[in-house]
Amino acid sequence: GENVEQHPSTLSVQEGDSAVIKCTYSDSASNYFPWYKQELGKRPQLIIDIRSNVGEKKDQRIAVTLNKTAKHFSLHITETQPEDSAVYFCAAPYGGSQGNLIFGKGTKLSVKP
Amino acid sequence: GAVVSQHPSWVICKSGTSVKIECRSLDFQATTMFWYRQFPKQSLMLMATSNEGSKATYEQGVEKDKFLINHASLTLSTLTVTSAHPEDSSFYICSALGGSNYGYTFGSGTRLTVV
Repeated sequence: GENVEQHPSTLSVQEGDSAVIKCTYSDSASNYFPWYKQELGKRPQLIIDIRSNVGEKKDQRIAVTLNKTAKHFSLHITETQPEDSAVYFCAAPYGGSQGNLIFGKGTKLSVKP
Repeated sequence: GAVVSQHPSWVICKSGTSVKIECRSLDFQATTMFWYRQFPKQSLMLMATSNEGSKATYEQGVEKDKFLINHASLTLSTLTVTSAHPEDSSFYICSALGGSNYGYTFGSGTRLTVV
């Protein structure tokens, strides 16, 4: 099956700094890599995703990079703001883009004003 | 965009009773639905995958006789927690495949507390 490892488990940054969260996956058939932001007691919200035919995707302050050879992908948040504080999860599907979505253990990001 | 409605949003039940949670895709047909469980400060753990009209596929360690999943139509999947115990207290959330967002749309979750 798919094994998704996520690091770090907690991350504290100063407002305005950048934050980077990294994930590795094991299933070479995985070709879709989403990142979710989850606030306490709420559903995960998709913030950005990438497919395996591209190496990087950017959306304003958020970017995701993918290294399919090494089987890892990263979330980059620049110019962090206090409202970015949340738990972030990476995920990868087992068996292609329509498979079971397996989540990393999450990263609690704290942005200090 | 794709919307998945999940009900109830929270429920308190007594030990030994059963609780049914519904997951509906409102504006698209969900060929596959996934059920996750999330304990406090932990990640989402996949419990089972359900395809319309067929039996659910359960992940290792998840009791299929305790967590009954029915996916009778392309817009509705239900999870029934039978003979609930306090250790079943958790946040249960469904995800449907078939809408926008490259396929995965999450419900709002159900907070189950068993007393």
